[in-house]
Amino acid sequence: KNQVEQSPQSLIILEGKNCTLQCNYTVSPFSNLRWYKQDTGRGPVSLTIMTFSENTKSNGRYTATLDADTKQSSLHITASQLSDSASYICVVSAQGGSYIPTFGRGTSLIVHP
Amino acid sequence: DVKVTQSSRYLVKRTGEKVFLECVQDMDHENMFWYRQDPGLGLRLIYFSYDVKMKEKGDIPEGYSVSREKKERFSLILESASTNQTSMYLCASSLIGDQVIHFGDGTRLSIL
Repeated sequence: KNQVEQSPQSLIILEGKNCTLQCNYTVSPFSNLRWYKQDTGRGPVSLTIMTFSENTKSNGRYTATLDADTKQSSLHITASQLSDSASYICVVSAQGGSYIPTFGRGTSLIVHP
Repeated sequence: DVKVTQSSRYLVKRTGEKVFLECVQDMDHENMFWYRQDPGLGLRLIYFSYDVKMKEKGDIPEGYSVSREKKERFSLILESASTNQTSMYLCASSLIGDQVIHFGDGTRLSIL
């Protein structure tokens, strides 16, 4: 069964600090991996999307990495801001057939001033 | 920008009522989805539709039904609401073959 596991479940950091969120998946055959940011009371919004051939992709202060061999991804946030406080969700899709992706349960990030 | 609009941000209903949650997207997307989101459980797929009048069950369809009479509109129906259906409901859409799913802002539904 396709699964996506995220760690940590929650994280508290001080403003200005860096942090890294982890995503491990068993989805096969792999098609793509996406990171979403969900602010409180809002729907998830796509941050990055990575395919098999991509190792690193940046979106401002957000950098996602992908190791397709070990089936791991990370989302690194640099110089955190209060507005980074949100839930970060890892989503993985398989090739062919189903376009229904597998969602991780998310990491809740709180940035304190 | 893609816009997925859910008709209500907050909704309070009583046990046993028939509840309709409405969702409209403005980008001519073929795929539409209904998810519920609960603390610690993440997003779980209730139903999805890949075309008008087509629907497929997701992971947790029990107690729900859907309707897609027009391409842009996807409705979620709680036939007889129960307290365990209190949750955040998220509608989403995507193009066939597209990698990105676009979400609405959700409806927080409370069943009393």
